Amino acid sequence: GQQVMQIPQYQHVQEGEDFTTYCNSSTTLSNIQWYKQRPGGHPVFLIQLVKSGEVKKQKRLTFQFGEAKKNSSLHITATQTTDVGTYFCAASGSKLTFGKGITLSVRP
Amino acid sequence: DAGVIQSPRHEVTEMGQEVTLRCKPISGHNSLFWYRQTMMRGLELLIYFNNNVPIDDSGMPEDRFSAKMPNASFSTLKIQPSEPRDSAVYFCASSFPRTGGNEQYFGPGTRLTVT
Repeated sequence: GQQVMQIPQYQHVQEGEDFTTYCNSSTTLSNIQWYKQRPGGHPVFLIQLVKSGEVKKQKRLTFQFGEAKKNSSLHITATQTTDVGTYFCAASGSKLTFGKGITLSVRP
Repeated sequence: DAGVIQSPRHEVTEMGQEVTLRCKPISGHNSLFWYRQTMMRGLELLIYFNNNVPIDDSGMPEDRFSAKMPNASFSTLKIQPSEPRDSAVYFCASSFPRTGGNEQYFGPGTRLTVT
């Protein structure tokens, strides 16, 4: 089945810094989804990317799907304390295959 | 609109006891998923249903786990007998797969502690 890798699992940034994380697959993905889970909360759907090279923005968050559809990135501009949480990518098919996620902490 | 509803939110039980987790998906969604989340193993898919029919239960750890979906608005995940290693947060999620999207909506989860 499809697998996605997210490395590292933890990252700490200073408030105001930019943050980028990646999601990689050894196989071509039909599409990819990103979710955010706040501490103590549940995963919440953020975005779905379908087309090769697709870029979507949500306020300070920018999501990109690689040209070969084997990787995706999430970039947060000028992080804020509200950005803390775990960000998961998920390969989408009849079911979702989630990566391990990256937990972001932001120092005020 | 109510989101996915799960009950109980917290469950503490002793090893060997039966545990039943409940889920009500979003009305109109025809796919339902049960996940387990731990620090060690992350988010694992246990089983999913389409139109109340189990499609893939390859993630169910062992025979102690069983899941049912008797109708479109209710599902249960049962563990019998429970063991301490079953301690985790169990999420239910639902979706309405269609052209252009199959995003999942997660419930708040049930935090299970088996002592």
